[in-house]
Amino acid sequence: EVQVLESGGGLVEPGGSLRLSCAASGFTFSTYAMSWVRQAPGKGLEWVSTISGSGRTTYYPDAVKDRFTISRDNSKNTLYLQMNSVRAEDTAVYYCAKDDRSGSYNDYWGQGTLVTVSS
Amino acid sequence: QLVLTQSPSASASLGASVKLTCTLSSGYSSHAIAWHQQQPEKGPRYLMKLNNDGSQSKGDGIPDRFSGSSSGAERYLTISSLQSEDEADYYCQTWATGIRVFGGGTKLTVL
Repeated sequence: EVQVLESGGGLVEPGGSLRLSCAASGFTFSTYAMSWVRQAPGKGLEWVSTISGSGRTTYYPDAVKDRFTISRDNSKNTLYLQMNSVRAEDTAVYYCAKDDRSGSYNDYWGQGTLVTVSS
Repeated sequence: QLVLTQSPSASASLGASVKLTCTLSSGYSSHAIAWHQQQPEKGPRYLMKLNNDGSQSKGDGIPDRFSGSSSGAERYLTISSLQSEDEADYYCQTWATGIRVFGGGTKLTVL
């Protein structure tokens, strides 16, 4: 059974940093791209980042580029999101999601971890 | 610009059918999409991938009550025999090289 489990959320001050983790199981982790998607309170889903199975290729939207860094440790079946210079608008539930074989869309999701940016 | 448009809300009666729409922006009418369901206070759940020719591949355990169809730039999700647990937010998603896009979501109310 495919499972992804996020951790690391919490309260962080504006301008601060936080690292999220996602433990994956039930599939050959290194074979699949992985993504982070967030959801601000009462809002819709917003794509945050995607990383290839090897970890060599990463993608970001402009909203988080140069502030967030996605990475993975295939030996530990774990995905990460390093969040730097956070802003109030980064407050959201952050979901880890497995990509499909083609690396195009998300076919398994976690339950999310809440990040609150506030002083 | 790659954009997906969804109606903010829809409603239908218990046991009835409902058809939700996701519209691709101009120039992207051949793109495939994915449909996701998000029940209250839960993470999203992948429902299906839907191609522009109407072919689809469903996620694990998705009942036959959920089906997709396509027409031009429109992608549809039809839910038949509505049940109370179908009350949820439904999102469409598409992609291009280096980018992922979600629609704004449709909140489905089961009356």
